[in-house]
Amino acid sequence: DAGVTQSPTHLIKTRGQQVTLRCSPKSGHDTVSWYQQALGQGPQFIFQYYEEEERQRGNFPDRFSGHQFPNYSSELNVNALLLGDSALYLCASSLDREDGTNEKLFFGSGTQLSVL
Amino acid sequence: LAKTTQPISMDSYEGQEVNITCSHNNIATNDYITWYQQFPSQGPRFIIQGYKTKVTNEVASLFIPADRKSSTLSLPRVSLSDTAVYYCLVGSRMDSSYKLIFGSGTRLLVRP
Repeated sequence: DAGVTQSPTHLIKTRGQQVTLRCSPKSGHDTVSWYQQALGQGPQFIFQYYEEEERQRGNFPDRFSGHQFPNYSSELNVNALLLGDSALYLCASSLDREDGTNEKLFFGSGTQLSVL
Repeated sequence: LAKTTQPISMDSYEGQEVNITCSHNNIATNDYITWYQQFPSQGPRFIIQGYKTKVTNEVASLFIPADRKSSTLSLPRVSLSDTAVYYCLVGSRMDSSYKLIFGSGTRLLVRP
């Protein structure tokens, strides 16, 4: 049973460019969350997708957008890259609970994005 | 918002028991408390989850007092490979939305 897979593992971009990161959730999971983790910091919540729609969003600008596909996989897009966007981007999948409360998150190994 | 507070760092020696306490004064009634472990350049890994009293699995125990305003992760007989960052999470509910918020975590260093 494959866990959460992310691609690519590493990426180097320059300021102003756009990037797309991809995530395949753990088998049986229907919810995908994205986190940004700067060096030495805890993961920061970007947004969560469920049933192909953005259900929740953290304090990130509109440059950060996403998509969830019918097979539950997801993409994170970042436009107009800034130096400060350099970070480890983590995808986590989970199974939605009826009351929407705490879900056990399964994380991928992340995509290390460097913006030069 | 349910915010968590943990010690920034802890040191221990191989074979000792390590207890990491997390405070979460604003925990919601139906929130669970979850702990994750993270090694450098890897995604966090689920350790244990609980709602109240005590939960134990093959790697750790979680103690939650009756008021649920804090929790303690207990790692028995740590080894060098337990050196990692440990995060305590509770759900964060605001305006009917719900999300999981990570704090800064506790950096545990296990020495030989």
